[in-house]
Amino acid sequence: AQSVAQPEDQVNVAEGNPLTVKCTYSVSGNPYLFWYVQYPNRGLQFLLKYITGDNLVKGSYGFEAEFNKSQTSFHLKKPSALVSDSALYFCAVSPRTDSWGKLQFGAGTQVVVTP
Amino acid sequence: DGGITQSPKYLFRKEGQNVTLSCEQNLNHDAMYWYRQDPGQGLRLIYYSQIVNDFQKGDIAEGYSVSREKKESFPLTVTSAQKNPTAFYLCASSGQVTNYGYTFGSGTRLTVV
Repeated sequence: AQSVAQPEDQVNVAEGNPLTVKCTYSVSGNPYLFWYVQYPNRGLQFLLKYITGDNLVKGSYGFEAEFNKSQTSFHLKKPSALVSDSALYFCAVSPRTDSWGKLQFGAGTQVVVTP
Repeated sequence: DGGITQSPKYLFRKEGQNVTLSCEQNLNHDAMYWYRQDPGQGLRLIYYSQIVNDFQKGDIAEGYSVSREKKESFPLTVTSAQKNPTAFYLCASSGQVTNYGYTFGSGTRLTVV
């Protein structure tokens, strides 16, 4: 069975410092991987995806993520966090064998960036 | 603009009432999904539909019902059998998953009064 783990319920970081939000997955084969962000009382917004190719993918708002096949991880990173990055972040995975592409979501990580 | 629209944004329900949440998309997506989100929590799948006139239960379908009569529309009814319906409800749709995965609506906040 596929699963996605976001081991930290909350990540606290000072503005200007690097931000990392962790995600590991358990899916047979090479999955499709996604990161979404949710601001209060809003839907989830797409940040970035890994489909194939370069293991380092760049996305919206200066975020990037690195696909690590050996560690089955897809950690989200930003070199310099902003207060406006404070939000709930979700990692999601879909196995390539699922033609419908149904996503499995992690539990979410709350990011708090302090001025 | 293509997108997915949920209405209303806020909804209040009295005890014992059924209420219906609307979800409409003009993205020509085949698949649509309903999720429930409780405060500070993750997403729990209620129902999903991969094709018109067909839908499957998710992890927490009890007390909810759906229909998929049109490709564009996937309304969710919260019935009186749902004992704790106060939550934030999110609708999503997907076409080719390699594009953006899912596209989400802006949500409906349901409160029992």
